[in-house]
Amino acid sequence: DVQMTQSPSSLAASVGDTVTVTCRASRSIGTYLSWYQQKPGKAPKLLIYDGSSLQSGVPSRFSGTESGTDFTLTISGLQPEDFATYFCLQSYNTPFTFGHGTFLEIK
Amino acid sequence: EVQLVESGGGLVQPGGSLTVSCEASGFNFNEYYMHWVRQTPGKGLEWVSRIAWNGGGIDYAASVKGRFTISRDNAKSSLHLQMTSLNRDDTGLYYCARGGPVAGPLDNWGQGTLVIVSS
Repeated sequence: DVQMTQSPSSLAASVGDTVTVTCRASRSIGTYLSWYQQKPGKAPKLLIYDGSSLQSGVPSRFSGTESGTDFTLTISGLQPEDFATYFCLQSYNTPFTFGHGTFLEIK
Repeated sequence: EVQLVESGGGLVQPGGSLTVSCEASGFNFNEYYMHWVRQTPGKGLEWVSRIAWNGGGIDYAASVKGRFTISRDNAKSSLHLQMTSLNRDDTGLYYCARGGPVAGPLDNWGQGTLVIVSS
C-alpha cells in the first residue's frame, strides 16, 4: 500500500498568513494526489486534484504543487473560514490512502 | 446540484450485520465510480471500497475484504454497502463519495451515516 506522510499534524496561524502543508508518498503516485478541507461536523470538501488543479468554486488562495513524491498545499492569505483540518489522498491505486490530517488553528 | 444522502447507520452488536445506502441525485449516476470512505477516531479517514459505473471494478480495503460487499443500482441511482461480521473497529461515520475516472479524486461527498458496533 502507498503510505502518505502528512506534516505538520497541527499548525497555528493568523488571518492573512501563508501556510503550507506537505504530503509525501512512499512511492511514485504520478500526480494522483488531491487535497481536502474538513470542518467540524461536515464532510470533506475537494480543494485540489491532480496535484495542482483547483477544483471549481475553490478560492484561488489555495494552490497545490508537486515534486516527485512530495506534494504541497499552500494557502495564501488565510481567511477566517480557512481554519479547518486538511487531508491529502492518493488515488493512484487501491487501496486509496489518506494522510493523517493537518489541524489548522487560529493563533 | 450533486447530492449524496447516506442512510442505514445505527447501533449493531459485534458479529452483526448492517447495510448502509446512498441515494444520489443531480448527476448521471451511471457514469461515475462510487466509493465508500469511513472516518473513525482511531484511524482518521479510511478508504473502504469502490465500484465502477457498470458494477465492475470492485476493490476493498484489506480490513473489510471478505466481510463487506459494495453494490449499486443504476436504475435507482443508489449505492450500497453490506457489512457483515462487524467488530468494534468498524465503528465510524461512513461516507459515500463520487469518484471520477479510475484514479480520479473524490469530488463530492455525502454527510455520512454513523455506524456504532457495540454490545
